[in-house]
Amino acid sequence: EVQLVESGGGLVQPGGSLRLSCAASGFIFSSYAIHWVRQAPGKGLEYVSAISSNGGNTYYANSVKGRFTISRDNSKDTLFLQMGSLRAEDMAVYYCARVWKTGITWNWFDLWGQGTLVTVSS
Amino acid sequence: EVVLTQSPATLSLSPGERATLSCRASQSVSSYLAWYQQKAGQAPRLLIYDASNRATGIPARFSGSGSGTDFTLTISSLEPEDFAVYYCQQRSNSLTFGGGTKVEIK
Repeated sequence: EVQLVESGGGLVQPGGSLRLSCAASGFIFSSYAIHWVRQAPGKGLEYVSAISSNGGNTYYANSVKGRFTISRDNSKDTLFLQMGSLRAEDMAVYYCARVWKTGITWNWFDLWGQGTLVTVSS
Repeated sequence: EVVLTQSPATLSLSPGERATLSCRASQSVSSYLAWYQQKAGQAPRLLIYDASNRATGIPARFSGSGSGTDFTLTISSLEPEDFAVYYCQQRSNSLTFGGGTKVEIK
């Protein structure tokens, strides 16, 4: 089955760190750029970060630049998001999403994970 | 940053009625606009890409139009499963999403 499965969410104190994972299956993971998109409770969607198919290029929203790091391990079909200096406003469901065409970083998303909830609270 | 403004915030309609959702961009995004549907507790689903093309498996009652700064998603006759939140997204300049339109049962 073609799918993305996120994990690693949980409760973290302000200023803390968390590492999210996104495991891919059913497709050639190394051929696709993948993004992280988040959704605060009751709010809309917000682009967080992107990584090219080979991991050579990474991109970040201004709101997380310098605090989050995206990476991938194509040998293990897994995407990561290392989150640091977490703030209350980072609390959200974090989705990984696949770009629908191979070899392109900026495009539409045809496959999403189910999301993992990050709660930032003392 | 390209800001996408969706209107109305909420649309109250009955099954069988026509739904018209709007998405306005703060600057031209050409035809680089998509629409997603999100149901409660689920991830978004791609409906329309490049402003007017239906994604795989999307019923013909969904249609998109527009270019530049003004875009419309039309659902010709609402089915019970269409009541959800709809988001527009642009990829002309990085990526941004609109704030969403909730289509609720009247």
